[in-house]
Amino acid sequence: DAGVIQSPRHEVTEMGQEVTLRCKPISGHDYLFWYRQTMMRGLELLIYFNNNVPIDDSGMPEDRFSAKMPNASFSTLKIQPSEPRDSAVYFCASTSSYNEQFFGPGTRLTVL
Amino acid sequence: SQKIEQNSEALNIQEGKTATLTCNYTNYSPAYLQWYRQDPGRGPVFLLLIRENEKEKRKERLKVTFDTTLKQSLFHITASQPADSATYLCALLSGGYQKVTFGTGTKLQVIP
Repeated sequence: DAGVIQSPRHEVTEMGQEVTLRCKPISGHDYLFWYRQTMMRGLELLIYFNNNVPIDDSGMPEDRFSAKMPNASFSTLKIQPSEPRDSAVYFCASTSSYNEQFFGPGTRLTVL
Repeated sequence: SQKIEQNSEALNIQEGKTATLTCNYTNYSPAYLQWYRQDPGRGPVFLLLIRENEKEKRKERLKVTFDTTLKQSLFHITASQPADSATYLCALLSGGYQKVTFGTGTKLQVIP
């Protein structure tokens, strides 16, 4: 398996633009997580899905953020409109158990 | 509110020595505690999991302890090597669901 795949790896956009981050989890994993990592706040859970259903979105910072998982092999995290404070590395992770999460390589987002 | 604290300062040790990293938590009753390694520009990679009813877990040169009375976990790397240099994250997981809360991490530098 190729592991968790994220795209794009880097995204530079201007304030106010819409940003869409994509994730393909490991086949067979029924949990998918979106995290945001910054120097100030560390790794924060934004939302997680179980069997494509959002279970907990309490970490989503505000209504500008939305996430979908239309099927077991694809998820998106959308920011609209983007702001400079959204600049961070966004990670997607998947798992099928309590034992470990498998993280993707991350998307480095810069909002100018 | 729930809080997870790891050594905020970087830890520098000499090659061959044992590195000890600390994870303290408050207002939390985790069922599991995990340790991850993160290299620059990459996503975290799972290392070890320890359950609330386990005192100690070992894997090769790694050892984790979990003291639910002190609300603390210690992570040891014996015979440290420069290749062990990375940021190490602890993560707490409550039973019943998959939500994981990460600490801010400790940067370890092993000096040859």
